[in-house]
Amino acid sequence: AQSVSQHNHHVILSEAASLELGCNYSYGGTVNLFWYVQYPGQHLQLLLKYFSGDPLVKGIKGFEAEFIKSKFSFNLRKPSVQWSDTAEYFCAVMGDRGSTLGRLYFGRGTQLTVWP
Amino acid sequence: EAQVTQNPRYLITVTGKKLTVTCSQNMNHEYMSWYRQDPGLGLRQIYYSMNVEVTDKGDVPEGYKVSRKEKRNFPLILESPSPNQTSLYFCASGNPRQETQYFGPGTRLLVL
Repeated sequence: AQSVSQHNHHVILSEAASLELGCNYSYGGTVNLFWYVQYPGQHLQLLLKYFSGDPLVKGIKGFEAEFIKSKFSFNLRKPSVQWSDTAEYFCAVMGDRGSTLGRLYFGRGTQLTVWP
Repeated sequence: EAQVTQNPRYLITVTGKKLTVTCSQNMNHEYMSWYRQDPGLGLRQIYYSMNVEVTDKGDVPEGYKVSRKEKRNFPLILESPSPNQTSLYFCASGNPRQETQYFGPGTRLLVL
């Protein structure tokens, strides 16, 4: 069965620290990968996505993620976090064809708290 | 303004009383979906629809119904709500390949 694992439940950083949030997935086929962010009291927003091509993808607000197929990973990174990055981050996976198109699997989320 | 709207935003009800949460999008998207978000569990897909009159089960469809009679609307129906359906519900829409997916503001449901 498809699944998404986010390694860290809660990450606490100081401003300007570097960030890496882990995401591993289990899926027997070609995947599309996503990171979403949910700021307190708000709905989900797409940070970045990977469909094909360059495995290093850049998203909004200085975030990037690297798809490593051999490790089934899609880790999110940011070189220097800000207080405004405090939010919950979700990794998500979807198959890219047939009956799996449209089935979106989310990880359990990582709460990031950035102290000023 | 491109948006997904949900109504109501907050709802308190009692066990067994049928309810409907509406979802509407103004972007002419073919794809729409419902999720529930629970602490520590992330988001789980309830149902999704690839187009009008086409709906499919997600991970947690039990206790829910949906319909897609027109492209812009995708209501979520709880025929007989139970306390374990207390949750935060999100509707989303996008194109079928999910290149962009827009989420609604959420509906917080409490079933007593």
